[in-house]
Amino acid sequence: EVHVVESGGGLVLPGGSLRLSCAASAFTFNSHWMSWVRQAPGKGLEWVANMNQDGTEKYYADSVKGRFTISRDRATNSLYLQMNSLRAEDTAVYFCARESWLREYQTVWYYFDSWGQGTLVTVSS
Amino acid sequence: DIQMTQSPSSLSASVGDRVTITCRASQSISTYLNWYQQKPGKAPKVLIYAASSLQSGVPSRFSGSGSGTDFTLTISSLQPEDFATYYCQQSYSNIRTFGQGTKLEIK
Repeated sequence: EVHVVESGGGLVLPGGSLRLSCAASAFTFNSHWMSWVRQAPGKGLEWVANMNQDGTEKYYADSVKGRFTISRDRATNSLYLQMNSLRAEDTAVYFCARESWLREYQTVWYYFDSWGQGTLVTVSS
Repeated sequence: DIQMTQSPSSLSASVGDRVTITCRASQSISTYLNWYQQKPGKAPKVLIYAASSLQSGVPSRFSGSGSGTDFTLTISSLQPEDFATYYCQQSYSNIRTFGQGTKLEIK
């Protein structure tokens, strides 16, 4: 069974840093785009960042661009999110999500088909 | 970035009802549209991908349609386990975005 498990959340002061990890198992990690998605308390889902299989493409939501960095380790099947200059509005549960695809001829559709349980990041003084 | 707008934001319905949730994109996204269900304290679960493809294991009472800018998720006959929050999400752009969610509550 596909498994992704996040870790690294916690309480951090405004302006501080935190590194989230996502351990993937039971699938070919190096074949998938991977994303981070967050959810502030009582709010909706917000996509944060993603990267392609070999790490040559990385994309970020405007709300985190320049502060967060996504990375992956192909040898250990791990995804990371380095979060710097944290703000109160970054408080959320952070989910790691696998992007799967449907391919028909030249067209590829991506969707999030496997999610972790999330890790809570609280930014507060 | 592509903005996704869902309507309604909340909806009350009864078991057995037919329910439709709408999602509109700020620009044409062809059929690059996915639907998720989320229950409190749980991770989201994909229901529909590529606008109308049913994810394996998802009951056939769920269906999706649309292309371009306007999409719908339909639940043909609500079951007690369907009361949850539903999100649309576009994958036309590598900058993925979600709708704000539709909370489906028991009437």
